[in-house]
Amino acid sequence: EVQLVESGGGLVKPGGSLRLSCVVSGFNFNNAWMSWVRQAPGRGLEWVGRIKNKINGETTDYAEPVKGRFTISRDDSKNTLYLQMKTLKTEDTAAYYCATGGPLGIDSALQLWGHGTTVTV
Amino acid sequence: EILLTQFPDTLSLSPGERATLSCRASQSVSSSYLAWYQQKPGQAPRLLIYAASSRATGIPDRFSGSGSGTDFTLTINRLQPEDFVMYYCQQYGSSPHRFGQGTKLEI
Repeated sequence: EVQLVESGGGLVKPGGSLRLSCVVSGFNFNNAWMSWVRQAPGRGLEWVGRIKNKINGETTDYAEPVKGRFTISRDDSKNTLYLQMKTLKTEDTAAYYCATGGPLGIDSALQLWGHGTTVTV
Repeated sequence: EILLTQFPDTLSLSPGERATLSCRASQSVSSSYLAWYQQKPGQAPRLLIYAASSRATGIPDRFSGSGSGTDFTLTINRLQPEDFVMYYCQQYGSSPHRFGQGTKLEI
């Protein structure tokens, strides 16, 4: 069974930091391109960023509102995706989802999603 | 940067009817890398359509996608009560992979 399980959310003061994790099981994490998507309370979906796989240099892309403050990384030995968040602002309050194309392959739409972890700033 | 605008914001229909949801991009979406997601309250989004017109695994054939370039459509035939939730489009052809603001389908 495919699972994406986020953790690390919580309450943090403005200006603070937090690191989210997403543990993946049930598919080949090493080959996957992984994304973070967030959703503020009562609002729509917002793409946060993406990291490619090792073969593609683990290149990252970010949405403008988080550039320079958020860093996406991965540890393929642990099947884990990370989102390091610094200089947090009240507008970063949201549910954060990790997601990937999974069987659709790399550079694809997001077929597999975690249940999300909530960050409150 | 490609911006996506969905319309209408809210669509009011009845079970059994057909829904037509639109998504317009500010620039052409490369390779028709346009997806549609459904989101129920309190749940993660679910992928319905990818590459503009391909149904994701397990999605009923009542759901179909069409379009290319800057104009895309999600059609839902024979609306079921569970279909009355939020729908988002997303382009993933160029970074940032923005979502549209969403369309709420209501009874």
